[in-house]
Amino acid sequence: AQKVTQAQTEISVVEKEDVTLDCVYETRDTTYYLFWYKQPPSGELVFLIRRNSFDEQNEISGRYSWNFQKSTSSFNFTITASQVVDSAVYFCALSEREAGSARQLTFGSGTQLTVLP
Amino acid sequence: EAGVVQSPRYKIIEKKQPVAFWCNPISGHNTLYWYLQNLGQGPELLIRYENEEAVDDSQLPKDRFSAERLKGVDSTLKIQPAELGDSAVYLCASSGRMVDTQYFGPGTRLTVL
Repeated sequence: AQKVTQAQTEISVVEKEDVTLDCVYETRDTTYYLFWYKQPPSGELVFLIRRNSFDEQNEISGRYSWNFQKSTSSFNFTITASQVVDSAVYFCALSEREAGSARQLTFGSGTQLTVLP
Repeated sequence: EAGVVQSPRYKIIEKKQPVAFWCNPISGHNTLYWYLQNLGQGPELLIRYENEEAVDDSQLPKDRFSAERLKGVDSTLKIQPAELGDSAVYLCASSGRMVDTQYFGPGTRLTVL
């Protein structure tokens, strides 16, 4: 069975600080996808990034960056120079493929990020 | 391109009453998902459709929950009768044929009194 753990329940930072959200996953499959979603107070889950299990290249996109390490089963997410609008709940999620068909997303319990002005 | 549409956004009912939620996925997306999100938790899958076929409904409480996607486009999730513990946010998501990224709608927040 697959599992996603986000050990940080809540994080508070002051605007312009960098912040890293941790995610550790468990899966027995060799082919899988990892995701980060953002859920602002409005409630809609917003897709941020997807990584497949064969692509360990880390990426930077604007103020966001991701660190995927298969050796430690971690997929951490960093926001550089945080802004108040980054305040939200961030979810890490895992999806396995079955016979070429996408399966359900297994979500972590989320990390509430609060960026203070 | 329009995103996933859900209605209503909010619903308040008394226990034992029926309730229905509607979802229209992103145009061209053949896979549709219904998730349940309790307060302070991540979403959990209720049912997954590939076109009009429910391919994974193992986590749907079938004694009171039902869902349909008759023409392989929009979908309806029903609860009858509702219980106090059903108070939660019900999320709909969709994904394309070969792309695993799921895009979510705004959800329906259900309150059962």
